[in-house]
Amino acid sequence: GESVGLHLPTLSVQEGDNSIINCAYSNSASDYFIWYKQESGKGPQFIIDIRSNMDKRQGQRVTVLLNKTVKHLSLQIAATQPGDSAVYFCAENSNNQGGKLIFGQGTELSVKP
Amino acid sequence: ETGVTQSPTHLIKTRGQQVTLRCSSQSGHNTVSWYQQALGQGPQFIFQYYREEENGRGNFPPRFSGLQFPNYSSELNVNALELDDSALYLCASSTQGNRNSPLHFGNGTRLTVT
Repeated sequence: GESVGLHLPTLSVQEGDNSIINCAYSNSASDYFIWYKQESGKGPQFIIDIRSNMDKRQGQRVTVLLNKTVKHLSLQIAATQPGDSAVYFCAENSNNQGGKLIFGQGTELSVKP
Repeated sequence: ETGVTQSPTHLIKTRGQQVTLRCSSQSGHNTVSWYQQALGQGPQFIFQYYREEENGRGNFPPRFSGLQFPNYSSELNVNALELDDSALYLCASSTQGNRNSPLHFGNGTRLTVT
């Protein structure tokens, strides 16, 4: 079956360091990917998305990399700050899934001062 | 720009009861999706509404039903509540029924079934 999974359930980094959160997906038909950040007591907040015709996209302090060959997605956060502490989810969508986003389990990022 | 709002924020119900959760979509968005998020898990797709009709459904039983209104707001109804229905219910809106646009989530309704 299809699934989106994360390699690391928890990640602890020092403030100022770069963070890398990884995600593997199994549905080769997936063609749209999104990263969300979820803070305690809140809904998921959109960070960045990427379509399958791209392999890299940059935002403010964040970069998403897509490797379709090995079905791998990563989120890089530059100069990680305490406010970045949250659970990060990758999600995928494909044409045969209609409006359904498939979420991974999530990675908890903890930033140490 | 008004974001996605959900009500109530918290709710406690007894097994067997029925519940209605409400969602107002973000301004300019015409598509609403509902997700269930169990503690420590990623959100699971329940269904999506576009132009007041169900436009895709996840692996949830028929006792989960929904509505979308002309102003694009939406309701999620759950009948015959079970203990396992305890979760955070998230509403998300997007534009034009286009799956390739990011969903914008509300802060959810925390449902506890006792």
